Amino acid sequence: EIVLTQSPGTLSLSPGERATLSCRASQSVSSSYLAWYQQKPGQAPRLLISGASSRATGIPDRFSGSGSGTDFTLTISRLEPEDFAVYYCQQYGSSPRTFGQGTKVEIK
Amino acid sequence: QVQLQESGPGLVKPSETLSLNCSVSGGSISYYYWSWIRQPPGKGLEWIGYIYYSGSTNYNPSLKSRVTISVDTSKNQFSLKMRSVTAADTAVYYCARSASWFDPWGQGTLVTVSS
Repeated sequence: EIVLTQSPGTLSLSPGERATLSCRASQSVSSSYLAWYQQKPGQAPRLLISGASSRATGIPDRFSGSGSGTDFTLTISRLEPEDFAVYYCQQYGSSPRTFGQGTKVEIK
Repeated sequence: QVQLQESGPGLVKPSETLSLNCSVSGGSISYYYWSWIRQPPGKGLEWIGYIYYSGSTNYNPSLKSRVTISVDTSKNQFSLKMRSVTAADTAVYYCARSASWFDPWGQGTLVTVSS
């Protein structure tokens, strides 16, 4: 099973700032089969990125994903008020599918 | 667009079977994979398993002995059964499309295991 470790656990930033979230895999994620999700309180997760860097339909271009192998990054170029939430990475290169433990982006 | 809706009892007794349905609207269940994912209160996400519309399945080994996922194409829905539940199975249960990345998701349904 691939274990995904996200860092930091919490990121305290102000609107307009840049957010950089890390997801590290315990072994290489084949073909960059990695996704990112955003989850707000009381809501289901929403797909942001698949294939490590492809934005899902309707996702603003301030969200970008990068990385390969064992190290992946989600970048939010300029935080909007609606971006404060918890973010999860998930790999689908092998079974079982696994998620990171999440990074909370909170208002500073 | 495709929408998913979970339904089922919100309270299940320990040692009993949890049963949930996921109704798919706005599109056909055919030719896609469909998954169940859960999230204990205040915790992270755990993939339970997926089913192809034809009926083939893949389960998380940590739950495989207790879980069955089935599909009913005539009703455009798929289902989850989890046997011998304990308090550790208390979670919000989500259904979602796909076996790779998950999109879209249902709104989720909270299932509490308690006597």
